[in-house]
Order: sequence, then C-alpha cells, then structure tokens
Amino acid sequence: EVQLVESGGGLVQPGGSLRLSCAASGFIFSSYEMNWVRQAPGKGLEWLSYISSSGSTIYYADSVKGRFTISRDNAKNSLYLQMNSLRAEDTAVYYCARPRIITTYWYFDLWGRGTLVTVSS
Amino acid sequence: DIQMTQSPSSLSASVGDRVTITCRASQNISSYLNWYQQKPGKAPEFLIYTASSLQSGVPSRFSGSGSGTDFTLTISSLQPEDYATYYCQQSYSTPAVTFGGGTKVEIK
Repeated sequence: EVQLVESGGGLVQPGGSLRLSCAASGFIFSSYEMNWVRQAPGKGLEWLSYISSSGSTIYYADSVKGRFTISRDNAKNSLYLQMNSLRAEDTAVYYCARPRIITTYWYFDLWGRGTLVTVSS
Repeated sequence: DIQMTQSPSSLSASVGDRVTITCRASQNISSYLNWYQQKPGKAPEFLIYTASSLQSGVPSRFSGSGSGTDFTLTISSLQPEDYATYYCQQSYSTPAVTFGGGTKVEIK
C-alpha cells in the first residue's frame, strides 16, 4: 500500500525541541521530492519545508527558517523534521506530503495522517 | 509571497444544492491552482489540479474553473459525503506553495 506515516509528535515546552519522522512505503521514496505541511487547531494549511529527492535542495517557509531542519534518509525510506526553539504558535498537526509533478504543475497527491505537536508549559 | 483568499469562509447548503466556492490569488498564477477536500480529523485529499482537471476517481459533480487570479470550485449537486472543508492552493511559486483559508461546507 502506498502510504506515509508520521510519528514523533507530542507535548513539548516552549523553547524545546522535537524530531518528527515520516515513514514512506509502497513507492520508490528516493525518486520523490517531499514536503512538510502543518495545520494549527481549527486553522488552515501552511507549507513549511521542501526537500529534493537527493536531499541536495531545501527550502523553508519564513515562519520556521532557522528553527526547523528538514532531512531524509533514502535508505530508510524516511523523511524528518527537526524542530528547535518551539513556540506556542507551532502547535499544529504536522503532515508529510508527496508532490506529483506534471511538467510544471505541482500538487500534493499523497499525505500522511499527521502527527500532533503541542507546545505548552 | 502569493496570498490566496477564499470566500465564503463557510456556507450552509442542502443535499442537491449547487455550491460555488471562490478563490482569489494576489497575483497572476495562470492555471497553477489546485483544490483539496478535508474531512474532520483526516488529511486533505486532492480533487482538482491546473484549475480544472479532475483527479481520477473524483465524482464529476465537482468542477473547477478560472485562470489568472480568480478561480471557482463548483459542486453541481451536493451529496452527504461532500460536507467538508475545501482549500485552494497555488503551485505557481513552488515549492513555496500557499493555501487559501478554507471554506467549510455545512449541512443546512
């Protein structure tokens, strides 16, 4: 089955750190670019970070630049998000999402179920 | 950054109604516009890409239109399983994509 499964969420204090993982299965993970997207409680979707299939190209949203680090291990079919200096406003469900790219058109065709991160004292 | 504005933020409709959701981009994005459906507690599901191309398996009652800055998602005859929140997303500035604020479709 083609799927993405996130893990690593939980309760963390402000200023703390957390590492999220996304396990991919059912497709050739190393061939795909990957992303992290989050959704604060009752709010909309926010793109956070992108990593190319090889890991050589990385982008971040301004809201997490300098605090979050995306990485991947193609041998383990896994995507990661290291989150440091966490703030209350980082409380959200975090999704990994795979883009499908048709010529220059790009959309997320596969999402994980998400993992909840709560930043609170 | 390209801002995406959806309207309305919520609507109430009955089964069988025609529902229209609009999405406006802060700049010309050609047809780099996608739509997603999200049900409570679930991840978003992809519906439409390039503004009007239906994902395989998506019912034909869903349709999308528009280009440039103004886009529309239409559900021609609302079904019980369509009650959800809908998001537009621009892919003009990949990978830094942005989503609209969402439109919640509720039962009238």
